[in-house]
Amino acid sequence: AQRVTQPEKLLSVFKGAPVELKCNYSYSGSPELFWYVQYSRQRLQLLLRHISRESIKGFTADLNKGETSFHLKKPFAQEEDSAMYYCALHTGGFKTIFGAGTRLFVKA
Amino acid sequence: GAGVSQTPSNKVTEKGKYVELRCDPISGHTALYWYRQSLGQGPEFLIYFQGTGAADDSGLPNDRFFAVRPEGSVSTLKIQRTERGDSAVYLCASSSAGRSTDTQYFGPGTRLTVL
Repeated sequence: AQRVTQPEKLLSVFKGAPVELKCNYSYSGSPELFWYVQYSRQRLQLLLRHISRESIKGFTADLNKGETSFHLKKPFAQEEDSAMYYCALHTGGFKTIFGAGTRLFVKA
Repeated sequence: GAGVSQTPSNKVTEKGKYVELRCDPISGHTALYWYRQSLGQGPEFLIYFQGTGAADDSGLPNDRFFAVRPEGSVSTLKIQRTERGDSAVYLCASSSAGRSTDTQYFGPGTRLTVL
């Protein structure tokens, strides 16, 4: 079955602390993985995708096929990073499967 | 230019009624997606259009749900005989060509409440 699991509903860290949002997936094919973010009162938007191997707003994510994970990391969290984060899996067709999301709260 | 727009922003209806939700994609985007997001969940895929045709409607939960995109631009999601379980935020997204590498741009959503 195709599935994306985000085990933490809420993650609270202090400003300047490292942050890691966990994502595990289940997919038999070659996965394409994404992280989406939704800031308060804003639309859902793409943060980064694994094929780009990019760092956006200080966030990075590495695809680990052995562990079927795509965790999102940032070494020093900022208050403006507080948002809802969704991990998503794009299957071979046109369907994107989202995880349930993790709310990140960065405390001052 | 303008992003994806959805109307209405909120819709309250009674059980058993018919509703239509509208999505205006970014101009020139050929791919259009509908998702449903229930409370505490991530978006759930419903249907994907490439141009005027529904290339993948495997996410529609049952035959009460139907979507059209007659001219390859605006799309309407139609729900017949609404049920309380249909209450959710309905999201629309568009992308330039529908390739997996294309960025999906989301609308603000329509919050549907079925009483």
